[in-house]
Amino acid sequence: QSALTQPASVSGSPGQSITISCTGTSSDVGGYNYVAWYQQHPGRAPKLMIFDVINRPSGAPNRFSGSKSGNTASLTIYGLQVEDEADYYCSSYTTSKSYVFGTGTKVTVL
Amino acid sequence: QVQLQESGPRLVKPSGTLSLTCAVSDGSISSRSWWSWVRQPPGKGLEWIGEVDDSGVTKYSPSLMSRITVSVDKPKSQFSLKLNSVSAADTATYYCVRHHSFSFDVWGQGTEVTVSS
Repeated sequence: QSALTQPASVSGSPGQSITISCTGTSSDVGGYNYVAWYQQHPGRAPKLMIFDVINRPSGAPNRFSGSKSGNTASLTIYGLQVEDEADYYCSSYTTSKSYVFGTGTKVTVL
Repeated sequence: QVQLQESGPRLVKPSGTLSLTCAVSDGSISSRSWWSWVRQPPGKGLEWIGEVDDSGVTKYSPSLMSRITVSVDKPKSQFSLKLNSVSAADTATYYCVRHHSFSFDVWGQGTEVTVSS
């Protein structure tokens, strides 16, 4: 199972919006509405930000939004804040009844 | 809020067995949830290892299934990971996690395991 493809880095200024893509196949991202997004600060455990493509768990700010089209899912951060600087990973359920993560994206707030 | 805590040896010899346990703080391991292990090599991305439900049903990563066993101990409110025939490639931070839908909503703090002689 190959890792989902994410851009290595994305940057933006405070207040701007950025979008991170997560590309898979019809066996994972395209086959299920079970894409999730995680935020990871250095030295910390990942934190769930989006599940089931579009849903935010309690505690995740509403400036985080998820979407999907075909085999590509996206995470958009509206009104970028300094504390959003972190690594972001997507994940998807797969036809192998397993999970695959994305390659990870480093978000830099300029 | 449930809390997860990993425990186990931090150093494992090559070809040996990595064994970790995850304690679930509030006894909710019997709540018809799935419980997983995820690892992250130093400076690299996340990798799903495998999962177990409260009745002991398991699912494993296709790339690791020949070497792993995940089990649950409901009376002790904990679940465990055993990874056989380890090599330096298995050096990573290992996280135990709880499932929420088809995602992972509660994470342990992670435990660093090094494979070295």
